[in-house]
Amino acid sequence: AQKVTQAQTEISVVEKEDVTLDCVYETRDTTYYLFWYKQPPSGELVFLIRRNSFDEQNEISGRYSWNFQKSTSSFNFTITASQVVDSAVYFCALSDYLNYGGSQGNLIFGKGTKLSVKP
Amino acid sequence: ETGVTQTPRHLVMGMTNKKSLKCEQHLGHNAMYWYKQSAKKPLELMFVYNFKEQTENNSVPSRFSPECPNSSHLFLHLHTLQPEDSALYLCASSLQTLANYNEQFFGPGTRLTVL
Repeated sequence: AQKVTQAQTEISVVEKEDVTLDCVYETRDTTYYLFWYKQPPSGELVFLIRRNSFDEQNEISGRYSWNFQKSTSSFNFTITASQVVDSAVYFCALSDYLNYGGSQGNLIFGKGTKLSVKP
Repeated sequence: ETGVTQTPRHLVMGMTNKKSLKCEQHLGHNAMYWYKQSAKKPLELMFVYNFKEQTENNSVPSRFSPECPNSSHLFLHLHTLQPEDSALYLCASSLQTLANYNEQFFGPGTRLTVL
């Protein structure tokens, strides 16, 4: 069965600190996708990144970076020099490539990590 | 309007009421989803529509009834709900292809309170 674990329920940092959000996943599939979404207080989930299981290269986008390690089934997310606007709940999600019906797999979400960045 | 829109943003209803949630996507996607987000559980997938056909019903009680008249619109009809159904209901859409997996785009959600 597929599962996503975000062990950190809440994290609080002071502005300009670096912070890493952990994500550990379980799947029996050899082909799968991993995602991070941000949910600000307004409620809308904002897509941040998609990574497929064949691509273990780390990715950097501005202050955001992602560390994908298949050996430990982890897909961690780091925010460098955090800002107050980064305060949100962050979700890690997993999907297989195709289900047996031929359509794309559905997203399995972790419980989320609430990040509070204080000025 | 752009992206995925949902109406209403907030809804309070009694257990005997009938109401509907509406979702509309302006992204040219062919798949739409309903999720439930409550305080005690992670995001739960409720329904999936692919090319207007329901492809997933995640053991959702019959008091929730989805409708997808076309690939741009998705409704969730509610009747005789329970207080434990109070939650944020999120709609999402994506472009499903066999060649690649494309991310889901979410609407702002409807905050539902059942009294």
